[in-house]
Amino acid sequence: LAKTTQPISMDSYEGQEVNITCSHNNIATNDYITWYQQFPSQGPRFIIQGYKTKVTNEVASLFIPADRKSSTLSLPRVSLSDTAVYYCPLTELNQGGKLIFGQGTELSVKP
Amino acid sequence: DAGVIQSPRHEVTEMGQEVTLRCKPISGHNSLFWYRQTMMRGLELLIYFNNNVPIDDSGMPEDRFSAKMPNASFSTLKIQPSEPRDSAVYFCASSEGASAYEQYFGPGTRLTVT
Repeated sequence: LAKTTQPISMDSYEGQEVNITCSHNNIATNDYITWYQQFPSQGPRFIIQGYKTKVTNEVASLFIPADRKSSTLSLPRVSLSDTAVYYCPLTELNQGGKLIFGQGTELSVKP
Repeated sequence: DAGVIQSPRHEVTEMGQEVTLRCKPISGHNSLFWYRQTMMRGLELLIYFNNNVPIDDSGMPEDRFSAKMPNASFSTLKIQPSEPRDSAVYFCASSEGASAYEQYFGPGTRLTVT
């Protein structure tokens, strides 16, 4: 499983849409892309996963280009409670769901 | 469901002592993972189990670390002897199985070795 690369930090304001990009140049055919959110003093929490194109759920959208070498997590209309660290580990399903976390992006949402 | 349960939540011990961290996965989940998080190294996968069997322990830092899963509802991570550099937050996570992509993390155990 390849490690991923993300911006270390991002700032935003309440009500804005936030896009966090993750680079995974060495992604393998069997790798899926997942995104997790972590608040201070808590374990990471799953947000969304995808293989290609676009995936949307009730909290976020995930955009994956055709070459799959990057992905973008989109958070619509963020609030102060979205301030957290966001990770984009890859997972290879036939490897037991193993995740390899990169350094994450620390998102700060300001009033 | 109570989620993944870890104990203790905080542990302070002296160098050289044995430390045992405990984890109860979500009922029905077949995969269990142990992670360690520090400021310097981030989140590291230490070991994971499928159906109580250790699958990959390549992340275990040294022979001082050992993990067991005697049954589907309990796992331990033991450090003997502990060292100050083992100070970290240790997370346990579980998932529905080898084909699942969503892991559920516990609240973590903050270990301080003095």
